[in-house]
Amino acid sequence: GAVVSQHPSRVICKSGTSVKIECRSLDFQATTMFWYRQFPKQSLMLMATSNEGSKATYEQGVEKDKFLINHASLTLSTLTVTSAHPEDSSFYICSARNYNYEQYFGPGTRLTVT
Amino acid sequence: GQNIDQPTEMTATEGAIVQINCTYQTSGFNGLFWYQQHAGEAPTFLSYNVLDGLEEKGRFSSFLSRSKGYSYLLLKELQMKDSASYLCAVIYTGTASKLTFGTGTRLQVTL
Repeated sequence: GAVVSQHPSRVICKSGTSVKIECRSLDFQATTMFWYRQFPKQSLMLMATSNEGSKATYEQGVEKDKFLINHASLTLSTLTVTSAHPEDSSFYICSARNYNYEQYFGPGTRLTVT
Repeated sequence: GQNIDQPTEMTATEGAIVQINCTYQTSGFNGLFWYQQHAGEAPTFLSYNVLDGLEEKGRFSSFLSRSKGYSYLLLKELQMKDSASYLCAVIYTGTASKLTFGTGTRLQVTL
């Protein structure tokens, strides 16, 4: 149990385009999902907290207009990187929290902006 | 702040036992997680400690002392596949269940 999927696993896009990443909890309902970014050899950095049916809460320094988050259902949250630039290239990971406060991570999405 | 400290790197021999320590700020503590992360992959859940004491799950055990702000992850009978980063993460009250991660410990298992 407690499986979280992400799609796509890898994406390459051109500078200036937008990319949407999906995060799904497959076998449990997640009222809260989290989006992280991780640069090589660094720990996870929380970008935003996504609550079903409400606006996401962004961490300090994260541009909400650039990283659009939608949490339309108890099993799906999406992150859209708008007008992507090479510095946005990173490993994006979502996690979903169950009612026991355990967080399970998706497999991650490696974004490369050329 | 909510500094969570772990050793940066550790090396251990296949078949041995290794203990990875984590210290954290005790004020507002609400739970501690350990995750394993292989290079290029997302973290996988290992353990969740809320109360003091040792919890054992197969080759992996996790210990918590809330009064000391201290936890450790114990790995027994090390295997080469245990080479990975081990992340300590804490939930603090009033943070909407956000995980605050330590820097992670890169463990290298050698022959």
